[in-house]
Amino acid sequence: DAGVIQSPRHEVTEMGQEVTLRCKPISGHNSLFWYRQTMMRGLELLIYFNNNVPIDDSGMPEDRFSAKMPNASFSTLKIQPSEPRDSAVYFCASSRDRLLAKNIQYFGAGTRLSVL
Amino acid sequence: TQLLEQSPQFLSIQEGENLTVYCNSSSVFSSLQWYRQEPGEGPVLLVTVVTGGEVKKLKRLTFQFGDARKDSSLHITAAQPGDTGLYLCAGINTGTASKLTFGTGTRLQVTL
Repeated sequence: DAGVIQSPRHEVTEMGQEVTLRCKPISGHNSLFWYRQTMMRGLELLIYFNNNVPIDDSGMPEDRFSAKMPNASFSTLKIQPSEPRDSAVYFCASSRDRLLAKNIQYFGAGTRLSVL
Repeated sequence: TQLLEQSPQFLSIQEGENLTVYCNSSSVFSSLQWYRQEPGEGPVLLVTVVTGGEVKKLKRLTFQFGDARKDSSLHITAAQPGDTGLYLCAGINTGTASKLTFGTGTRLQVTL
């Protein structure tokens, strides 16, 4: 299996521009998660989907952030307009099982976003 | 918001030394996971502990879940340079199913 695939790996943009991050989960996994990692705040859950439906978006920082999962094999995280404080590494993860003890999340390699 | 505090934040040791990383919370978790993250990569799951007092071993790594299920520790025996990385604990709660709460992280560097 190819694992969770994220694109792009690196993104440099200017403040005010729209940024779209992409994720392809592992085939057969029904839960997908978007995280943000910074030195100051560590790894934070932004939103997660189960069977393509957003379940918990309480971690989305503000209205500038939006996420979609149009089908089981693709998700996007969009920031519009982007700000310098959005600079971070954004991770996508997927899991097959929602059961507590069996919740194994597989992470992609991340997208490093720099907003100038 | 539940917090998982890890200590120490940074640890630099020489090959062959032993070390322990701690993960503490004021909240009870139904289970707890440990991940290792290498530069430029996402976290990779090492272990899941479910029962209070549970001890799991993975080669030179020993994981323990506290009796009250509020804390956990990771002990590495005879550290090697390949153990270098960011170690993250993550708690799972009964009411939040798939949602993981990650700890603040411990960055370990093992030198020759």
